[in-house]
Amino acid sequence: QTVVTQEPSFSVSPGGTVTLTCGLNSGSVSTNYYPSWYQQTPGQAPRTLIYSTNTRSSGVPDRFSGSILGNKAALTITGAQADDESNYYCVLYMGTGISQGWVFGGGTKLTVV
Amino acid sequence: EVQLVESGGGLVQPGGSLRLSCSASGFTFRSYTMHWVRQVPGKGLEYVSGISSNGGSTYYADSVKGRFTISRGNSKNTLYLQMSSLRHEDTAVYYCVKDIGGSYSFDYWGQGTLVTVSS
Repeated sequence: QTVVTQEPSFSVSPGGTVTLTCGLNSGSVSTNYYPSWYQQTPGQAPRTLIYSTNTRSSGVPDRFSGSILGNKAALTITGAQADDESNYYCVLYMGTGISQGWVFGGGTKLTVV
Repeated sequence: EVQLVESGGGLVQPGGSLRLSCSASGFTFRSYTMHWVRQVPGKGLEYVSGISSNGGSTYYADSVKGRFTISRGNSKNTLYLQMSSLRHEDTAVYYCVKDIGGSYSFDYWGQGTLVTVSS
């Protein structure tokens, strides 16, 4: 069974930089998985931040960036702000056929403190 | 402006059925793959199902395969999710999600509709 892994929680100081990661329980994440990232605050629908590894969605500030770091996808927030305190989810595209099309990670709760 | 408005959620008994709808506007609906994603209150997001732009290809998570059916009415700009043999663990907010197109990712999300499976 495919499991997409994320850090359960992370803390960052205001103005600081944080990198959240998205991995696989078996194998490496590459651009072929089209990693994407979504931000969600409690009670709200998710908001798309990054797609196709490193493309920012419309209106997303450039302090959010995506990349592949080692064998994982990564979301880096540079100059964290208080309203970045949210849950962040990554999604990997697994292809069609007998595989699940898309699999979400468990999410990372980011605290800005 | 892209809008996705879900409806059809509510309380249903275990073993029962429910059909969710998602009314889309602000984009050429017939040109995009569409998805359903759910979230148990207080928990993470789970991919449920997707359907290609012409309805010819569908994708289901293992957890719903054989019980849920996704479909679309391109003339009505509406996405559907027919849910049957519902279980307690299907209780969640169900989001209608638009595919970005060409990048196997999502861009716009609806506000969600709550499905509660309980006796």
